[in-house]
This record gives sequence, structure tokens and C-alpha cells, in this order.
Amino acid sequence: EAGVVQSPRYKIIEKKQPVAFWCNPISGHNTLYWYLQNLGQGPELLIRYENEEAVDDSQLPKDRFSAERLKGVDSTLKIQPAELGDSAVYLCASSLGVDGTDTQYFGPGTRLTVL
Amino acid sequence: KQEVTQIPAALSVPEGENLVLNCSFTDSAIYNLQWFRQDPGKGLTSLLLIQSSQREQTSGRLNASLDKSSGRSTLYIAASQPGDSATYLCAAHRVGAQKLVFGQGTRLTINP
Repeated sequence: EAGVVQSPRYKIIEKKQPVAFWCNPISGHNTLYWYLQNLGQGPELLIRYENEEAVDDSQLPKDRFSAERLKGVDSTLKIQPAELGDSAVYLCASSLGVDGTDTQYFGPGTRLTVL
Repeated sequence: KQEVTQIPAALSVPEGENLVLNCSFTDSAIYNLQWFRQDPGKGLTSLLLIQSSQREQTSGRLNASLDKSSGRSTLYIAASQPGDSATYLCAAHRVGAQKLVFGQGTRLTINP
């Protein structure tokens, strides 16, 4: 069974440029998460989707970040414009249920460097 | 607000030793507590999930315990191997929050 797929794995951009990350969750998983992980820290939730509905986006900086999960399957996270402080690893995860209490499966992440 | 702390930040032990990683959380109202492993440049791999009604879970050489009253969880690794070298993160799922709150991780090095 394929795991959570993310692309690209690495991205280097200059500040003020836009960037997008893509995630394909495990087949059949209803809940999808985007996390941000800074160096030496644990992941922090940015947004959680139940099917195609964003049910928790309280930690998403909405002035520059946006996300979508069309058709309740794969998802895209966008930053526009990127700032130096956005350099981090962006992790996508998925879980089978919709209450958020079961095991989450993580993708390998996208490492973003903003110059 | 749930806060999760892992001490120490880094640990180095000789191969073959048994070891314990610690995790503490401030809010005992949790659905579950999960332990993850993260290898350099990789995503997180779930190791064990302990439901709030459980006291421990075991998988192979790993044993995780949960004491909600004291706000603590431990991950016990028996007969450590160099392949166990990684960062170990714990995460608490707080009731009502519907999200995991992670600790900052313990970077474990097993020396051959």
C-alpha cells in the first residue's frame, strides 16, 4: 500500500515568490493534515480537512497561506508571498477516521528554503 | 492549552542498553498519546498509540506507558541497536481540540 506522497521534496525560492506543495493521502483516508516543522521542533498543525471541508484552520496564516482539498482526496498548500521565516519542513499526514483520534500517517515532507 | 515537553533533547547510549524516553503533558484530558519516530530528512512514523483508557502498549522491543494523573508517558526501548538512532516525538491528543500537540523530540544516538 502506498503511503502519503508529497511533492516536491525540496524547494528553494527567493522571498516574495509564490510556492505550492502537493499531497496525496493514503487511499480511503478521510482526514488530511498539513503541519509545519521548524528545525529541532515538533510539527505544528496548520490545517485539518475532513473530506473536502477545512474543519480547523485556526493556525493557518491566512494573509499569505491558502490550502484546498478538492474532491476530498489530494491537497495543495500555497504560500504567496513567501517570507524568510517560512523556511521549514511542511508535512502532510492522513488518517482513516474523521474524529482525528486515530493513527496519523505522515509523508516525507517538503523542505522549503526561502532566500 | 496543552503543552508537551520531552527531556532530554538528546541522548547517547551504547548499543545493547535498555533506555527510557520521557514525555510530559500539562492537560490530562486526552484521547490518546502517540509516539513517533523521525529519521533525518524523513517524515514521522507512528510507533505506538495509547488510548486514554490504557496504561501501556507494546510493540516488539518498544513499550510505551501512560499515566494521565501525573501527565507523563514513557517509551522504553529494550536492547537498543544502532538502527534505533532517530528522533523520537510524543504527541498528545487533547479532548475537544481534535489535534495532536507534539513535544520537541528527543534525538537518540545508539553507539556501536
